[in-house]
Amino acid sequence: AQSVTQPDIHITVSEGASLELRCNYSYGATPYLFWYVQSPGQGLQLLLKYFSGDTLVQGIKGFEAEFKRSQSSFNLRKPSVHWSDAAEYFCAVGYTGTASKLTFGTGTRLQVTL
Amino acid sequence: DGGITQSPKYLFRKEGQNVTLSCEQNLNHDAMYWYRQDPGQGLRLIYYSQIVNDFQKGDIAEGYSVSREKKESFPLTVTSAQKNPTAFYLCASMTTGGISGANVLTFGAGSRLTVL
Repeated sequence: AQSVTQPDIHITVSEGASLELRCNYSYGATPYLFWYVQSPGQGLQLLLKYFSGDTLVQGIKGFEAEFKRSQSSFNLRKPSVHWSDAAEYFCAVGYTGTASKLTFGTGTRLQVTL
Repeated sequence: DGGITQSPKYLFRKEGQNVTLSCEQNLNHDAMYWYRQDPGQGLRLIYYSQIVNDFQKGDIAEGYSVSREKKESFPLTVTSAQKNPTAFYLCASMTTGGISGANVLTFGAGSRLTVL
C-alpha cells in the first residue's frame, strides 16, 4: 500500500533562513506528488505538484520541491522564510490506477521566529 | 468564485446523536471526498464518490455514512456508532478529466465537530 513519511513533526526556523521539509514515499510506480499547506482551523491549499517531466517544480509563495526517484523523496524548500509561512505542511502521493485516492503524510508544523 | 462550502464551521453534539455535515461545490468536479483530521495523524479518508449515486468506503468508514444524489453535494453523517467522533472534517473535490487537473484536490475550510 502506498504511504508517505514526513519525519519531522515540528520545525522552527528564523525569519529569512532557508527551509527544507522532508517527504518520503513508498511504492514502486511513478507517483504523483503534492505539497499542501494548512493554516490553523482552515482547509488545505495546494503549494505545488509533480506529475512528470522536470524533477524540480516551482509552486506558489516562493516554494519549490525536487523529486528524487532514487531516494523516493520529494522535499519542499524555500530560500528565505517569511513569518507568514508558519503553518502545517502536508506531503501527499497518488498513483495511476489509484489516482482518485491520495495518501497524506502526518504533516510538519513550521514555526517561524522573528 | 468557484469553491467548496462546508457547513457548519463548528458543531457540538451530545453522545448518541447523529449529525450531518454539509459539503457543496460549484467547481463542476466529478469526484468528492471526506477526510478526517486528528492532531499528529494527518488526513484519513472516510468516503469518496467519483460519480453521482455511487460512493466507496475509505480507510476509516465505520460509523459514517454519505450520499451523492447531486453532483454538487456530498453530505457526511456522523452516526452514534462512531466511537470517537470529535475531530476536524475536511471535504474536498477533484476533477477527473485531464492531466493538469487530475489528482489535484481542492479543499473546503473544514468543520470542527465536538462531542460533549
